[in-house]
Amino acid sequence: AQTVTQSQPEMSVQEAETVTLSCTYDTSESNYYLFWYKQPPSRQMILVIRQEAYKQQNATENRFSVNFQKAAKSFSLKISDSQLGDTAMYFCAFMWSGTASKLTFGTGTRLQVTL
Amino acid sequence: GAGVSQSPSNKVTEKGKDVELRCDPISGHTALYWYRQSLGQGLEFLIYFQGNSAPDKSGLPSDRFSAERTGGSVSTLTIQRTQQEDSAVYLCASSLAIRETQYFGPGTRLLVL
Repeated sequence: AQTVTQSQPEMSVQEAETVTLSCTYDTSESNYYLFWYKQPPSRQMILVIRQEAYKQQNATENRFSVNFQKAAKSFSLKISDSQLGDTAMYFCAFMWSGTASKLTFGTGTRLQVTL
Repeated sequence: GAGVSQSPSNKVTEKGKDVELRCDPISGHTALYWYRQSLGQGLEFLIYFQGNSAPDKSGLPSDRFSAERTGGSVSTLTIQRTQQEDSAVYLCASSLAIRETQYFGPGTRLLVL
């Protein structure tokens, strides 16, 4: 079974600064996908970024980028130029690329962006 | 286009009653997923559909939980004889196909008194 660990329950960053959220996972599979989702107080889960394990290049989406270290089973999210609207819970998630299509989530990191 | 929609947004029920939660996926998405989010258990997978069939029901916590999907579109999650431990936010997601990115609805918050 796959497990996803987010060791930072809460983090705080000042507006315009950079913050990195950590995620590690455990799997015996070689083909899989990794995701970061954001859940603001509105409860809507929003995709931030997706990474295919077979791709060596780290995914980026505007101010969001990942540091994917496959051998270390690490998948951290970097948010640059933090904005107040980035305040949310952030979940790291794993999906095996085999027949199982479900997401396995970490416990989340609550990020607070302050003035 | 329209995203995933869920209804009701909130539901309060008494212990022992049955409830139905509805999910309307993004048009054209063939895969549909149900998850549960609770304080004690975090985010848990419940069931997924590919078309109208459910290849993976492994996450359903008990036989009081069932789900169906008709016409390859709308899905209903039914909880019979609700218990207080069923209180949670029930999230639905859909994807264009299996192994594609899942897009989530706003969830239904269920409170069992």
